[in-house]
Amino acid sequence: GDSVTQMEGPVTLSEEAFLTINCTYTATGYPSLFWYVQYPGEGLQLLLKATKADDKGSNKGFEATYRKETTSFHLEKGSVQVSDSAVYFCALRVNYGQNFVFGPGTRLSVLP
Amino acid sequence: DAGVTQSPTHLIKTRGQQVTLRCSPKSGHDTVSWYQQALGQGPQFIFQYYEEEERQRGNFPDRFSGHQFPNYSSELNVNALLLGDSALYLCASSWQGEGEQFFGPGTRLTVL
Repeated sequence: GDSVTQMEGPVTLSEEAFLTINCTYTATGYPSLFWYVQYPGEGLQLLLKATKADDKGSNKGFEATYRKETTSFHLEKGSVQVSDSAVYFCALRVNYGQNFVFGPGTRLSVLP
Repeated sequence: DAGVTQSPTHLIKTRGQQVTLRCSPKSGHDTVSWYQQALGQGPQFIFQYYEEEERQRGNFPDRFSGHQFPNYSSELNVNALLLGDSALYLCASSWQGEGEQFFGPGTRLTVL
């Protein structure tokens, strides 16, 4: 079945450090890929998405590129801030109208 | 424009009891999906409602049931609660199941 694997956390970084959170997927079809963020005590917010190979999603300084050849969608940010501390979820959706399949999440803590 | 709202925020039940959770979708949305997020894990798809019918279902027992009303709001019912049902229950809405899903803040259910 469809699945998403993420690097295990927690990830602890100092402010202004470079961030990479790895995400790989297995899908029977040709999925759209997403990164969601969950701040403490809140629901999930869409961070960025990509719908086809080589697409780059970007938002708030975060970027991720859809790599079909490596079935990956790694999240990157050049300089993290304390306010980026949250749990990040990689997710896929094979077809419109289908449900999302989420990874287990990666907790990021950014220290001042 | 109100986003997705859920009630109650927190709920404590005992084993064997029944619970009903409620969700109002974002304005203009007609599809509601429910997810279960156990502590430290990613959300797991329970089911999706569209046009007042269950359109898709994840791998959850039939103790989990739902309903969608003509105004597109939805309920999630869980019967014969087990300790393992303790989780954050997230509701997400979209238009006809397409495009971005917007998530509510969730209902935290604790089963004692």
